[in-house]
Amino acid sequence: DIQMTQSPSSLSASVGDRVTITCQASQDISKYLNWYQQKPGKVPKLLIYYASNLQTGVSSRFSGSGSGTDFSFTISSLQPEDVATYYCQHYDNLLITFGQGTRLEIK
Amino acid sequence: EVQLEQSGAEVKKPGDSLKISCKGSGYTFASYWIGWVRRMPGKGLEWMGIIYPGDSDTRYSPSIQGLVTISADKSINTAYLQWSSLKASDAAMYYCARLLRSGSYDAFDIWGQGTLVIVSS
Repeated sequence: DIQMTQSPSSLSASVGDRVTITCQASQDISKYLNWYQQKPGKVPKLLIYYASNLQTGVSSRFSGSGSGTDFSFTISSLQPEDVATYYCQHYDNLLITFGQGTRLEIK
Repeated sequence: EVQLEQSGAEVKKPGDSLKISCKGSGYTFASYWIGWVRRMPGKGLEWMGIIYPGDSDTRYSPSIQGLVTISADKSINTAYLQWSSLKASDAAMYYCARLLRSGSYDAFDIWGQGTLVIVSS
């Protein structure tokens, strides 16, 4: 089974900061990786698909990059409404794995 | 509007059976895979399994296989997640989500509002 290791597990940053979360796969997964945001008490929301593609309607402050085993998710300028838990998610022939999640707070 | 509507919160006892539902609308329900994802208290998202309502082809997470049953009735645009005997450890928020498939990517683009399952004696 492919393991997804997401880091950090929690993060505190200031409004306006550039924030980066990483996700590492235990073996080459090409670009088969998505990123989701789950705000407190809300439903998960797709932000980035196929490693670097911004989902329709999602703010351009969010971006993703990477391929193979190493991926990153970046918020270019942190806003108060970005407080949430962020998850990477790998997919391979209908077998799906989520990362452990990164809880993002405002300092 | 494309949406998934889940059944309401449940309070059950250990050993009880349970079936929760997820009804799709605004799109051709039979043509999209529906996944189930849980979030246990204090934990992250965990994929449980997925079903194609068109032919009921079903896949399970290896860690979930045998513990739950996923089914669907395409005639009423509804998918189900069921337990034959609940445990306290099944307490969680359960989400259904539509899988959008393209040639190179799969992603859960539409999510239900969640069904809270409480298991307590």
